[in-house]
Amino acid sequence: EVQLVETGGGLIQPGGSLRLSCAASGFTVSNNYMSWVRQAPGKGLEWVSVVYSGGSTYCADSVKGRFTISRDNSKNTLYLQMNSLRAEDTAVYYCAREPSEGNYFDYWGQGTLVTVSS
Amino acid sequence: EIVMTQSPATLSVSPGERATLSCRASQSISSNLAWYQQKPGQAPRLLIYGASTRATGIPARFSGSGSGTEFTLTISSLQSEDFGVYYCQQYNNWPRTFGQGTKVEIK
Repeated sequence: EVQLVETGGGLIQPGGSLRLSCAASGFTVSNNYMSWVRQAPGKGLEWVSVVYSGGSTYCADSVKGRFTISRDNSKNTLYLQMNSLRAEDTAVYYCAREPSEGNYFDYWGQGTLVTVSS
Repeated sequence: EIVMTQSPATLSVSPGERATLSCRASQSISSNLAWYQQKPGQAPRLLIYGASTRATGIPARFSGSGSGTEFTLTISSLQSEDFGVYYCQQYNNWPRTFGQGTKVEIK
């Protein structure tokens, strides 16, 4: 059974850093595209970043230069390093798997809340 | 960036009735469209991909249609458990983008 479990969220001051983790089971992270998608309180979904199975990474313009996606194949875990956090980064962050046949999201974690506030 | 526009913003439907949700892309995305359902406090759940293919375990009352720029999600006979917010997402171009959502309420 495919499972994704995010951890690492919390309350952080503006300008601070946080690293989110997404532990995967039931499949191999490195064989799939893996993304982070966020949702601000009461708002819609926003794609944040992706790591391809080959290792290439891409980020949305809104987080470029501040957020870095990575993975640890030995731990079958996805990460999102978030630096220079802003109030507008406040959101629930989901990790999501993309199946091999398309760039949609077939499995999602339960999400972890990041609150950026002083 | 492709802008996805969903309508209506809110849909109130009685159990057993048909619900029709629309999604429009700002440029052609072929059939590279997915639909998700999200209930309060939960992660989104994949319903439809490739504009019309139901995901594993999704009931047959959910169907998707369309191509190019106009897409529709139909719930043929609304059940009480179908309340929630429905999002469309295009994956034809970078970045992947979502619509703003349609909230389905049970009348």
